[in-house]
Amino acid sequence: SYVLTQPPSVSVAPGTTATITCGGNNIGGKSVHWYQQKPGQAPVLVIYYDSGRPSGIPDRFSGSNSGNTATLTISRVEAGDEADYYCQVWDSNSDHVVFGGGTKLTVL
Amino acid sequence: EVQLVESGGGLLKPGGSLRLSCAASGFPFDNAWMSWVRQAPGKGLEWVGRIKSKADSGTTDYAAPVKGRFTISRDDSKHTLYLQMNSLKTEDTAVYYCTTLYPTSSSSAYYGYWGQGTLVTVSS
Repeated sequence: SYVLTQPPSVSVAPGTTATITCGGNNIGGKSVHWYQQKPGQAPVLVIYYDSGRPSGIPDRFSGSNSGNTATLTISRVEAGDEADYYCQVWDSNSDHVVFGGGTKLTVL
Repeated sequence: EVQLVESGGGLLKPGGSLRLSCAASGFPFDNAWMSWVRQAPGKGLEWVGRIKSKADSGTTDYAAPVKGRFTISRDDSKHTLYLQMNSLKTEDTAVYYCTTLYPTSSSSAYYGYWGQGTLVTVSS
């Protein structure tokens, strides 16, 4: 089955840029979606189809996808961005949805 | 406004059965592909399965850990999604979220709307 690999944690200072990666075999050929989840809350979509941004999501959030790595970039990080972030793709071979293991973003 | 409201969670013993419900509103439920996603305590998100709209065959697919034990169904007249869980195991303990691929009907699409989740605890 298809596997997505994320770093367990990323720590950055406020005002800097956070980069969260999502690795997978030829992930550049798939559509990647990203979710933010704060403690006790349901996930919220922050990036769709690699780089699309839903309404209401700040333009500080951006995404890219190429080769074997998709990336979620959060610019000018704020304390309120502290959360778990998950990448997600659809595996056409199994016709199943796959989530990455999640990355905990800590704002120092 | 799109709303997804899960119910039916609870505490039960291994081997037991439980049915979760998800009441949907604010969008054309009968055209929507629906899914269940779960999250064990302190763990990440795990896809449970999906049901397509009847217009798109109404077929279901399940993740390997639940296939043969869980059944997803829908009642379009009631705008409700169900998850029948049988032969429950301790590792099924999780918050179960109802979510939808609306407004798209594509396997590669994103989950734009989520319910608040319902907790299922399986323990002896």
